[in-house]
Amino acid sequence: QVQLVESGGGVVQPGSSLRISCVGSGFSFRSYAFHWVRQAPGKGLEWVAVISSGGNDEYYADAVEGRFSVSRDNSKNTLYLQMSSLSPEDTAVYSCARGMSSVIPDALEIWGQGTLVIVS
Amino acid sequence: EIVLTQSPGTLSLSPGERATLSCRASQSVDSRFLAWYQQKPGQAPRLLIYAESSRATGVPDRFSGSGSWTDFTLTISRLQPEDCAVYYCQQYGTSPFTFGPGTKVDIK
Repeated sequence: QVQLVESGGGVVQPGSSLRISCVGSGFSFRSYAFHWVRQAPGKGLEWVAVISSGGNDEYYADAVEGRFSVSRDNSKNTLYLQMSSLSPEDTAVYSCARGMSSVIPDALEIWGQGTLVIVS
Repeated sequence: EIVLTQSPGTLSLSPGERATLSCRASQSVDSRFLAWYQQKPGQAPRLLIYAESSRATGVPDRFSGSGSWTDFTLTISRLQPEDCAVYYCQQYGTSPFTFGPGTKVDIK
């Protein structure tokens, strides 16, 4: 079945870096744009970043611009989020989400369960 | 950045009643790029409505979306107990692709 599974979360110190991953299965990974969305404990959804199907277009939320970098390896069906200069405000469950198509302006159709990142 | 405001914060209704959820944008949003999501406790969000009024696969027809420019509405025509959740609107036409703060729907 169509599935997204995130991994790589954990507890890190302020100022450190972390890379989280998302593996997709059950569909043609290279045919879709992907997003990262985060949710702080007890809070709402916050859009973080998006990458196009070919990996040549990226956009970021103001709060992470310059600190986070999204990338993908279509040969491995894997999406990445490289996070640096982490602060406690970055503590959240980070979820990947697949767009409805290859283009970036599209709704988020399939979601993973997320991986928890705690900065403390 | 386009700021989305949702109201009310919490909606408490009985089964069978009609729920009307509002999403207001700080600047005009192309209705092709407005979505609604449902999130139940402990679960990932679920896409309900995209392009302002198109239902995602498997979404019951009691869910409908409408609106334009800066004012959008999600309507649940006949509330069911399983509709208890937080509902988020999102604009995905202009980066950053912002979400609203959510409306919590409680079933009495």
